[in-house]
Amino acid sequence: DIQMTQSPSSLSASVGDRVTITCQASQDISNYLNWYQQKPGKAPDLLIYDASNLETGVPSRFSGSGSGTDFTFTISSLQPEDIATYYCQHYDNLPGTFGQGTKLEIK
Amino acid sequence: EVQLVQSGAEVKKPGESLKISCKGSGYSFTNYWIGWVRQMPGKGLEWMGIIYPGDSDTRYSPSFQGQVTVSADKSISTAYLQWSSLKASDTAMYYCARPRIPAAVSAFDLWGQGTVVTVSS
Repeated sequence: DIQMTQSPSSLSASVGDRVTITCQASQDISNYLNWYQQKPGKAPDLLIYDASNLETGVPSRFSGSGSGTDFTFTISSLQPEDIATYYCQHYDNLPGTFGQGTKLEIK
Repeated sequence: EVQLVQSGAEVKKPGESLKISCKGSGYSFTNYWIGWVRQMPGKGLEWMGIIYPGDSDTRYSPSFQGQVTVSADKSISTAYLQWSSLKASDTAMYYCARPRIPAAVSAFDLWGQGTVVTVSS
């Protein structure tokens, strides 16, 4: 299986801050990388697919970049409603493993 | 409306069997893979397995191979996840999810609401 290593595992930031989460794959996955947001008690929501494509309806403050093994997810200006846990996931092959998650809190 | 609707919460004893369901509507069920994702209490997301209802092609994560069975009944647009003998460690939330592209495994853009399974003696 391809291992996905996310960092940090938790993050505290202030409203308006720029927030960055990284995800590293254990082997080259091209751009087959997705980012999800999960709020407590809810199913995950797709934010970014294919490393950098914004899902329809997702605010433009969310963005993604990277290819190969190293990927970055960015919130340009943190909003209170962004408090959630964020997961990366690859789909280069099966199983499409998820990263361990990054819990984002407001400082 | 395009949606996945999962069956309700279950409380079972160790050793019992269980089959939970995920019904798709508003789209061509046979043309999209359906995946299953586990989330243990307070933990992250784990990819379990996936099925293509059109021909029942099924793939499993090695971590879940032999532990669960994924199936689908395309006549009623429903996918299933089943256990033959539950353990306490199967206690979790289980999500079904559909990829965004027909006939391809890609990002999951449609999720069910989740089914809580509690296994306790």
